[in-house]
Amino acid sequence: EPEVTQTPSHQVTQMGQEVILRCVPISNHLYFYWYRQILGQKVEFLVSFYNNEISEKSEIFDDQFSVERPDGSNFTLKIRSTKLEDSAMYFCASSAGSSPDTQYFGPGTRLTVL
Amino acid sequence: AQSVAQPEDQVNVAEGNPLTVKCTYSVSGNPYLFWYVQYPNRGLQFLLKYITGDNLVKGSYGFEAEFNKSQTSFHLKKPSALVSDSALYFCASYTGFQKLVFGTGTRLLVSP
Repeated sequence: EPEVTQTPSHQVTQMGQEVILRCVPISNHLYFYWYRQILGQKVEFLVSFYNNEISEKSEIFDDQFSVERPDGSNFTLKIRSTKLEDSAMYFCASSAGSSPDTQYFGPGTRLTVL
Repeated sequence: AQSVAQPEDQVNVAEGNPLTVKCTYSVSGNPYLFWYVQYPNRGLQFLLKYITGDNLVKGSYGFEAEFNKSQTSFHLKKPSALVSDSALYFCASYTGFQKLVFGTGTRLLVSP
């Protein structure tokens, strides 16, 4: 069964550093997403991406964040200058279509900002 | 604001007993509702969804969920719980075309 994969599983960085989180969505999916889950809190939507552009983003997704699909398989989330409060589990997801299609999630990348 | 609520932080049930994990929603338009399960150190696994039609939806691993429009609820159920069902369960709903909003999660603990 196809799966969403994410690398790395755990990333530790110093405050102010740039990080890139990587995801390989399910191959025939067209919509891609990033969500985050701060420890002990709910899963929060960050951004959706379709047809090589951002289609929706939350207020969390400020200028420090960017997304890219650099090739036909990868989907990345970049945080330009990390803050302590960016520490969270980041989930990538993909879906074949928009609502009401199911979003399938990857295993997550745990980002720790020191 | 459109939202999903899970009123219980934890549900405890003995193995073999039926289980229910509760979810209520507040969304405009037609609700598209989902249940996901998260095992330790794993991602969110899709269990089932309601789009339209039959109010009883069947999903993976013997789980089912009942959509109730009048009570704006979408409770997750299983007739006979297994210890291996112990995990964190999230209810979610689409708001708009692409964004899922999640509940706070309910930890299910099934004791032997």
